[in-house]
Amino acid sequence: DAKTTQPTSMDCAEGRAANLPCNHSTISGNEYVYWYRQIHSQGPQYIIHGLKNNETNEMASLIITEDRKSSTLILPHATLRDTAVYYCIVRAPALLNDKIIFGKGTRLHILP
Amino acid sequence: NAGVMQNPRHLVRRRGQEARLRCSPMKGHSHVYWYRQLPEEGLKFMVYLQKENIIDESGMPKERFSAEFPKEGPSILRIQQVVRGDSAAYFCASSPVRQRTDRTYEQYFGPGTRLTVT
Repeated sequence: DAKTTQPTSMDCAEGRAANLPCNHSTISGNEYVYWYRQIHSQGPQYIIHGLKNNETNEMASLIITEDRKSSTLILPHATLRDTAVYYCIVRAPALLNDKIIFGKGTRLHILP
Repeated sequence: NAGVMQNPRHLVRRRGQEARLRCSPMKGHSHVYWYRQLPEEGLKFMVYLQKENIIDESGMPKERFSAEFPKEGPSILRIQQVVRGDSAAYFCASSPVRQRTDRTYEQYFGPGTRLTVT
């Protein structure tokens, strides 16, 4: 699976949009971009994933550049409960080798 | 629809004892993964199981650790003769049956079991 690069930490004011960047310049054509987050002391939570097109769900939006070498997770109206570590992960379809390899992620602080 | 359940949520063991961690996947899911998170460190994959089969155990320590997912009942992660270095949060995740080989499947995580070895 391709490697990802994320900023170590970010701050965002409550109520504003939080934009979390991720670089994945070695991504392959069949690899998906996934985002998970881990709120302190809880299990990781799936947020969203995409292949080529931008995606939106009730939690967030995922913007993938046309060359697929980077992406941005957008939390449209951040709240204090969005304070967490956010992981950008690249995953290829696999029957047998399907583990998630977590990096260090971005520690997002939502400021009141 | 109940999520992934893990129990116990907190487990305290003395050095040398055995620890048994249980994971019940989401309804309809037949794939289970175990991950470990040492204090102040990232999540690391341990093992991937389907019903009655270990598919990938590349992240499991070679000794003292074992995992199973029987035909009936929860998946069990067993740690024999625990040591202080086993103190960590252990997370289980589940995903549905693979029906296609050209896509990925989300993994949904449980709340974790926090093991403390004294």
